[in-house]
Amino acid sequence: DGGITQSPKYLFRKEGQNVTLSCEQNLNHDAMYWYRQDPGQGLRLIYYSQIVNDFQKGDIAEGYSVSREKKESFPLTVTSAQKNPTAFYLCASSIPGQGPAFFGQGTRLTVV
Amino acid sequence: ILNVEQSPQSLHVQEGDSTNFTCSFPSSNFYALHWYRWETAKSPEALFVMTLNGDEKKKGRISATLNTKEGYSYLYIKGSQPEDSATYLCAFPVNAGGTSYGKLTFGQGTILTVHP
Repeated sequence: DGGITQSPKYLFRKEGQNVTLSCEQNLNHDAMYWYRQDPGQGLRLIYYSQIVNDFQKGDIAEGYSVSREKKESFPLTVTSAQKNPTAFYLCASSIPGQGPAFFGQGTRLTVV
Repeated sequence: ILNVEQSPQSLHVQEGDSTNFTCSFPSSNFYALHWYRWETAKSPEALFVMTLNGDEKKKGRISATLNTKEGYSYLYIKGSQPEDSATYLCAFPVNAGGTSYGKLTFGQGTILTVHP
């Protein structure tokens, strides 16, 4: 079955640590996205990639980094520079533009 | 940051009521408008992708209209049921350079609660 897989579902991080959230898709989509959701807010775009080996900052990229070495994979690293990393993170993929986005199940990151 | 605005922020209706909510977006450089439904404990799922001014799309009791000249889209639910309770999101692909509209920007969503 085609889809997007995010892992882990829950992640706990100590302050000062970097953590990497995994996102894999087998939909053959060129575009992939990372969003963050905080309570009472919508989905805010962190990073997006329209093609392999290329990615752009979204609206809240500070403290995050990504890579896109393979079409199927778009991992997100939450660095120690991210001041408030506790949130729900969603990965998505699409055909850029008119194609609807397909989402993973999300990763809930908590800083302890 | 591109402004994609949704209203109202939340809505409570009784089972059987019909309801509607709005997504406002910049009318210049329009490419497409997406609607998604996000149920609790699930992932957002696409409802509609709308591209043409005057478009009207329907899926069961849910329909959507699009006005690209004035920059808004309406989502209608006829005869709301408790299972329609969800957050409804609209999204707007933006050209961030070149010919690809790969930057998908979401509104804050409308939280719909349908009471039995």
